[in-house]
Parts: sequence; structure tokens; C-alpha cells
Amino acid sequence: SQTIHQWPATLVQPVGSPLSLECTVEGTSNPNLYWYRQAAGRGLQLLFYSVGIGQISSEVPQNLSASRPQDRQFILSSKKLLLSDSGFYLCAWSHRTFGGGELFFGEGSRLTVL
Amino acid sequence: DAKTTQPPSMDCAEGRAANLPCNHSTISGNEYVYWYRQIHSQGPQYIIHGLKNNETNEMASLIITEDRKSSTLILPHATLRDTAVYYCIVQNQGGSEKLVFGKGMKLTVNP
Repeated sequence: SQTIHQWPATLVQPVGSPLSLECTVEGTSNPNLYWYRQAAGRGLQLLFYSVGIGQISSEVPQNLSASRPQDRQFILSSKKLLLSDSGFYLCAWSHRTFGGGELFFGEGSRLTVL
Repeated sequence: DAKTTQPPSMDCAEGRAANLPCNHSTISGNEYVYWYRQIHSQGPQYIIHGLKNNETNEMASLIITEDRKSSTLILPHATLRDTAVYYCIVQNQGGSEKLVFGKGMKLTVNP
């Protein structure tokens, strides 16, 4: 069966510090991969999605970046965090051939920037 | 932008059916209706999806109107654990699409 894991689950970072969130998927190949963010009291915002290694599409301008160094690995990064980067970050995957309809989400990473 | 409209919140008594409405008046012929829910501090969970016909699985039933401009998610016997934010989404199936989540609807199941 397929599983998705992301880490760390919780982190507190000072403004201006770097960020690295990692997500891996097991039990499937060639998935579509996604990073979403949910700010406190708000809906889910799509940040990045990827249809293959090295292929990243950015949905909103920001100081975050994403990379996909391996087929089932998706990394969210920042060189310098802002207060507004605080939120609940969710990684998700979908079958490539099935399309984007059915998403499977990870457990989430809660980031607090102080 | 989300292509669906949902009421912001709804209450339901435990053990009763919860009927969650969604309007998607601009849905196109090749777009599916998807439902997800998000329990507090967890990632969203897929519930069900459909194109034209009504669908049922172990979690819920999805009723889509004949003109496909609206749908209803039915939880037949709501429990306290069904308290969550429910998202109704329309989306093409196939390719490199991305799901756009709106604000959803908060369902509170009361004892």
C-alpha cells in the first residue's frame, strides 16, 4: 500500500532562518506531488506541484522554493523565513495517470516563525 | 479561485443524517465533483467523487443534480468524529491538474 510521510511534524524557527521540510512517498512510482499551506483560520493554499523529477510549478510568488531530487521525494525550502510563513504545511500525492482528483495527504508540518 | 460555493457552517445531531450542500453552477462537462474533509490539525481526507451519477461508498453518498449545478454529500448517520471542515471541489480528471480548495464548510455534530 502507498504511504506518505513528511517531517518534521513541528518546528519553531526565528525570522530570517532557513527552512527545509521533507516529504517522501512509498509504494507508488511517478506520482504527482504537491505542497499546500494552511494559515491559521484560513483555507488550503496550493504552493507548488510537480509532475516529475526536477519539474516544479509555483502557484504563488513567495520566498519559498520546492525541489524534487528523486521521484518520490519533495522538499520545501526557504533561505530566510518571514513571520508570514507560519502555518500548517501539507504534502500530498496523486497518481500520475489518474490525474489530480484524488489526493493523499501527509500528516502535516506545523511551522511557527518567531 | 474555487469554483464551488458552500455555506460556512452547519450543525447536525449525532445519529441523524447530515446533508452538506454545494453549488457549482459553472461546472463544465468533463469536471468531476470531489469531496474532502479535514479534521482539526490533520491533512484532508478524500471522501468521494462523481461525475453525473449518484455515488455511494462506505463513508458517504454523493447526490448530483441532473443539471450538475449542485450536489449534496450525505453522511447517513453522523457521529461526533464526523465534525470537520468539508470541502467540495470540481476538477478535471487526468493530466497535471491541481486541486483548488475553497474555505469549505464546518460541520459540527452535536451529542
